[in-house]
Amino acid sequence: SQKIEQNSEALNIQEGKTATLTCNYTNYSPAYLQWYRQDPGRGPVFLLLIRENEKEKRKERLKVTFDTTLKQSLFHITASQPADSATYLCSTSGAGGSYIPTFGRGTSLIVHP
Amino acid sequence: EPEVTQTPSHQVTQMGQEVILRCVPISNHLYFYWYRQILGQKVEFLVSFYNNEISEKSEIFDDQFSVERPDGSNFTLKIRSTKLEDSAMYFCASSQSGAGGSTGTDTQYFGPGTRLTVL
Repeated sequence: SQKIEQNSEALNIQEGKTATLTCNYTNYSPAYLQWYRQDPGRGPVFLLLIRENEKEKRKERLKVTFDTTLKQSLFHITASQPADSATYLCSTSGAGGSYIPTFGRGTSLIVHP
Repeated sequence: EPEVTQTPSHQVTQMGQEVILRCVPISNHLYFYWYRQILGQKVEFLVSFYNNEISEKSEIFDDQFSVERPDGSNFTLKIRSTKLEDSAMYFCASSQSGAGGSTGTDTQYFGPGTRLTVL
């Protein structure tokens, strides 16, 4: 079955540093990989989508990489701010023609002032 | 900015009762989704809906669940006979085009969720 692994331990970093979050998937090849932000008690907010034929995508302070050989995506937030503190979810879809998304449990990011 | 809205924000029900969760998707969106998230767990896909039909559904979406678009604005999830394990946050989402679209407009916008508590 499709499975996504994200670091369950919270990532604590200092303001201004670059946060790097990891998403690993196993046993399948998704066509799409998405990153979402989720604040407590709220719905996920879409951040970035990257396709299997793309290596890297950027949006403002965000950067996502997609390595289909390693079956891994890295999500970077540069010049992090306390307002970036949230849980970040990785989601994949498009494997085998199905677009049912699979989500990871997310990694909590805490940016300290 | 347009957003997905959901009502109620919190629903408490007795086991075996029927509940209807309501969503108003973004007005020009054509694809609608329901997800659930059990407390502390991952977001799980339930169903996608397009053109008044279910497009895809997960194993969770069994005969106890149904979806409907009763009018031009609402999208509902009905659970016929709730169980304790149905307690979760239920999120509605909508997108302009379907998942996998090449235009990039398949971004799903999530609502704030309905917290369902089954006693």
